[in-house]
Amino acid sequence: KAGVTQTPRYLIKTRGQQVTLSCSPISGHRSVSWYQQTPGQGLQFLFEYFSETQRNKGNFPGRFSGRQFSNSRSEMNVSTLELGDSALYLCASSGDSNEQFFGPGTRLTVL
Amino acid sequence: EDQVTQSPEALRLQEGESSSLNCSYTVSGLRGLFWYRQDPGKGPEFLFTLYSAGEEKEKERLKATLTKKESFLHITAPKPEDSATYLCAVQAWGDDKIIFGKGTRLHILP
Repeated sequence: KAGVTQTPRYLIKTRGQQVTLSCSPISGHRSVSWYQQTPGQGLQFLFEYFSETQRNKGNFPGRFSGRQFSNSRSEMNVSTLELGDSALYLCASSGDSNEQFFGPGTRLTVL
Repeated sequence: EDQVTQSPEALRLQEGESSSLNCSYTVSGLRGLFWYRQDPGKGPEFLFTLYSAGEEKEKERLKATLTKKESFLHITAPKPEDSATYLCAVQAWGDDKIIFGKGTRLHILP
C-alpha cells in the first residue's frame, strides 16, 4: 500500500506571497491532518479534514486554510506569507483506527 | 488543557547502554497515547499506540509502557541506527486532535 505523499517537497517563497501544499493520503483513509513543525515549537496541529469537512482546527491565524476533495486528497494554503511561517509542514492520514501515518513533509522557506 | 511533556530533551548513550524516555501527559480522558520516531528531514514514523494503564507493547529493541499519568519508551541494548527523535502524542475522548510533545533527541554512539 502506498504511503502518504506530499508535494512539493521543498518550496522557497518571499514575504507576502501565498503558497498551496498538497497531500495524498493512504488509499482508503478519509481523515487528513496538517501540522506545522519548527525547532522551537515542535509539532503543532493546524487542522483536520474528514470526508471533505473540517472537523478540527488548531490555534493558527486565518491565513492558514485547507480543504479536502472527494478523493480524500487535501490541500493547505497559506496567504500573505511571513518569515515565521518557515517550517516543515506535515500531513498525516488515518483510517478506522486513530493511528496517524505521516508523509515526508514540505519544507517551506520564506525569505 | 491537554498537555504532553517529554524528558529528557536530549540523550546520548553508548551502543548497548539501555535507557528509558519519559512522556508525562495531562488529558481529560485518554483515548490513546502514541509513540513516533522521526529521522532528520523526514516525517514521523508510527511505532505504538497504547490505550489503557498497564498496557505494554514491544517492537525489536523498543518497549512502550503506560500508566495513568505517563508513558515510558524503554530502549534495550540500542544500536546507532536507533538514533532519532522520539515523539509522544495523546488523543482525548471527544476530541479528534492529537497533541504532540516536543520530543527526545536520542543519539547512540558506536
